[in-house]
Amino acid sequence: AQSVTQPDIHITVSEGASLELRCNYSYGATPYLFWYVQSPGQGLQLLLKYFSGDTLVQGIKGFEAEFKRSQSSFNLRKPSVHWSDAAEYFCAVAPTSGTYKYIFGTGTRLKVLA
Amino acid sequence: DTAVSQTPKYLVTQMGNDKSIKCEQNLGHDTMYWYKQDSKKFLKIMFSYNNKELIINETVPNRFSPKSPDKAHLNLHINSLELGDSAVYFCASSRASGEKLFFGSGTQLSVL
Repeated sequence: AQSVTQPDIHITVSEGASLELRCNYSYGATPYLFWYVQSPGQGLQLLLKYFSGDTLVQGIKGFEAEFKRSQSSFNLRKPSVHWSDAAEYFCAVAPTSGTYKYIFGTGTRLKVLA
Repeated sequence: DTAVSQTPKYLVTQMGNDKSIKCEQNLGHDTMYWYKQDSKKFLKIMFSYNNKELIINETVPNRFSPKSPDKAHLNLHINSLELGDSAVYFCASSRASGEKLFFGSGTQLSVL
């Protein structure tokens, strides 16, 4: 079955510390991969996406993610977290053709300590 | 200009009532979606329309009926509301399959 797993429900980091949010997927073939961020009371905003090519993807707000095919992972990283990064982060996959059916992980809530 | 706008932002209603949520996108996208986000933040696809044609219809009670009068609009009508319908409902659009989703800011539905 197709699924996206985000093992960490909550993560707390200090401002200025580095961050890594984990995402693993189960899919028939390599899908398109996304990270979205949701601030309180808002819709989701795209941080970055992987379609093909370079496995290290740069996104907005200083985020990057690395696709590892052998581990079926697409972890999100940021070298130095800012207080404004506190939000809910969602990993998602989408098929490379046809169905339009995006599958989201359950989200990781990031708390940033001053 | 808001790319994907949905109204209302908040909806509080009694059990058994019928309510609608409206969504409009000005991005020229062909595909629109309704997602339901529960209290644990889990996002689940409900429906998707491509050029006014229903292409995804997940296991959703038939009290929920989407309607797409044109490809820029996708409305959601809910009959006989139940307590379990309380959630945040997000409208989204995309240019094509696999392209990034643009989300509205959500409608928080509370059924009392």
